[in-house]
Amino acid sequence: NAGVMQNPRHLVRRRGQEARLRCSPMKGHSHVYWYRQLPEEGLKFMVYLQKENIIDESGMPKERFSAEFPKEGPSILRIQQVVRGDSAAYFCASSLDRGSYEQYFGPGTRLTVT
Amino acid sequence: SQQGEEDPQALSIQEGENATMNCSYKTSINNLQWYRQNSGRGLVHLILIRSNEREKHSGRLRVTLDTSKKSSSLLITASRAADTASYFCATDARNYGQNFVFGPGTRLSVLP
Repeated sequence: NAGVMQNPRHLVRRRGQEARLRCSPMKGHSHVYWYRQLPEEGLKFMVYLQKENIIDESGMPKERFSAEFPKEGPSILRIQQVVRGDSAAYFCASSLDRGSYEQYFGPGTRLTVT
Repeated sequence: SQQGEEDPQALSIQEGENATMNCSYKTSINNLQWYRQNSGRGLVHLILIRSNEREKHSGRLRVTLDTSKKSSSLLITASRAADTASYFCATDARNYGQNFVFGPGTRLSVLP
């Protein structure tokens, strides 16, 4: 029973390039959350998605960032025209249902912008 | 902000000692969860305590919740070097939405 999968684990991009981060939730989970963690800090919520729907994107920067969770395939967090400040660990979590349920986290993608 | 805040920010203890970490939050919650994160790794769920519960145990972990003080504590008894990690509390607010709000974490070092 695989847990939450994220790939790639490490991603290096030059300023101005695009970064695509993928997340496959646990089997049976249809709720996906993306968080960003800067060094020495806690996780900051970015976006909450269900299949084909964005439920809450209150933590997403208004520009350059987008997320999707298509009917088939993994959830994608896309960062266009990356800047050095985007360097962080990006974690995806999934849950069985909304509300007071445990979120299971993936291993994260560490993005470095050079 | 409804952010949880862990205290202390960092803690160093000897193996075998107990470690206590505290978390405070600002608004009413549905539940509070504690997570562990080893350096450079993802988060591992430790324990969930609901707003109508006061104490919960899981192995060497003991979590308390005081909703009147809007605080929670995580106690790790008989600590081991493998407990060295960062510990985060996450709150699920009643009117905040479906995401969890994490504090900055407590970095625990257990020295052999």
